[in-house]
Amino acid sequence: GAVVSQHPSWVICKSGTSVKIECRSLDFQATTMFWYRQFPKQSLMLMATSNEGSKATYEQGVEKDKFLINHASLTLSTLTVTSAHPEDSSFYICSARDQGGPSSYEQYFGPGTRLTVT
Amino acid sequence: DAKTTQPPSMDCAEGRAANLPCNHSTISGNEYVYWYRQIHSQGPQYIIHGLKNNETNEMASLIITEDRKSSTLILPHATLRDTAVYYCIVRPSNFGNEKLTFGTGTRLTIIP
Repeated sequence: GAVVSQHPSWVICKSGTSVKIECRSLDFQATTMFWYRQFPKQSLMLMATSNEGSKATYEQGVEKDKFLINHASLTLSTLTVTSAHPEDSSFYICSARDQGGPSSYEQYFGPGTRLTVT
Repeated sequence: DAKTTQPPSMDCAEGRAANLPCNHSTISGNEYVYWYRQIHSQGPQYIIHGLKNNETNEMASLIITEDRKSSTLILPHATLRDTAVYYCIVRPSNFGNEKLTFGTGTRLTIIP
């Protein structure tokens, strides 16, 4: 079935540095990928919608200059947290839409990336 | 704005059926009911979805009331691995409107 991977699964970085998180669809093509953030004991919050070959669409309140999204191919989207601060520490989860599947609007989720900013 | 209401937590004995309710009283005619679950520190996992008919797959059954204002997810023989947060999501069926809005879900604990 449709598999989505994320790399790294966890990362620790120092305040002020940038961190890149990759989201890959392993066995299908995804023109659309989604990035979510989840703080401890809270639900998933959609950050942005990533479309292959075009600019991402950010949800209200999400700083596009801080969370850079690049969807350069049909199988890869990246989220770069720039100038990270401790409050950016969170669980980042991506999902991808299988455009060619039997239910071509279904989303499949990655395993998540735990970011800790010290 | 949340479109579904779920109890915050439930317990179920191992081997018994787990019945998770969801209220979606403002659901529109073209909206599906989706269920996902999230095991601790993992990404959400799709379980099942339906429009108005009851649905069953290898993981669960979905019972939707005739007026579609509520539904119940049934895990027929719960195991310890079913301990997770379960999310009920109402989602338009029109292609292209794909945002999933997660509520607070139900934390299901399976008790040995």
